[in-house]
Amino acid sequence: EAGVVQSPRYKIIEKKQPVAFWCNPISGHNTLYWYRQNLGQGPELLIRYENEEAVDDSQLPKDRFSAERLKGVDSTLKIQPAELGDSAVYLCASSLDTGRTDTQYFGPGTRLTVL
Amino acid sequence: GEDVEQSLFLSVREGDSSVINCTYTDSSSTYLYWYKQEPGAGLQLLTYIFSNMDMKQDQRLTVLLNKKDKHLSLRIADTQTGDSAIYFCAESSRTGTYKYIFGTGTRLKVLA
Repeated sequence: EAGVVQSPRYKIIEKKQPVAFWCNPISGHNTLYWYRQNLGQGPELLIRYENEEAVDDSQLPKDRFSAERLKGVDSTLKIQPAELGDSAVYLCASSLDTGRTDTQYFGPGTRLTVL
Repeated sequence: GEDVEQSLFLSVREGDSSVINCTYTDSSSTYLYWYKQEPGAGLQLLTYIFSNMDMKQDQRLTVLLNKKDKHLSLRIADTQTGDSAIYFCAESSRTGTYKYIFGTGTRLKVLA
């Protein structure tokens, strides 16, 4: 079974440019998460989807970040415009909501460098 | 607010046991997890424990939970060089507001 797929793996852009990240979760997983991981820290949740609905986006900086999961499968996270402080690894994860434990399966991440 | 803390570094010799510790603040946590992250990779779930348990063993891994002290530990028996990685604990709760919070990670270095 394929794991969580993310692309691109690396992205280098100049500040004020837009950037987008793509995630394809594990087949059948209804819950999808986007995390940001700064260097030397643990992941911080940006947004959580249950199917196509964003059920928790309280940590998403909505002035420049947006996300979508139109058909409840793959998802795109966008930053426009990017700032220097956005340099981080952006992780996507998915889980099958059993109503009990949330075992999340992570993709390899996209490492963003903003110059 | 809720916080999950870990020590930053741990160094052990190959074949010894490693113990990685984690403290959390939210008593409503229902599940606690241990993830492993190797360089350039995402997080890999190692094991998890339900909050009404105090111990779980899975091959070389032993998880101990002291709910009174809000302390979680991961013991790796017979540590190998391939165990070198960053280990994150995480807590989740479905009571009230959903949350899933990761610690800062402990970098384990295994010396040959």
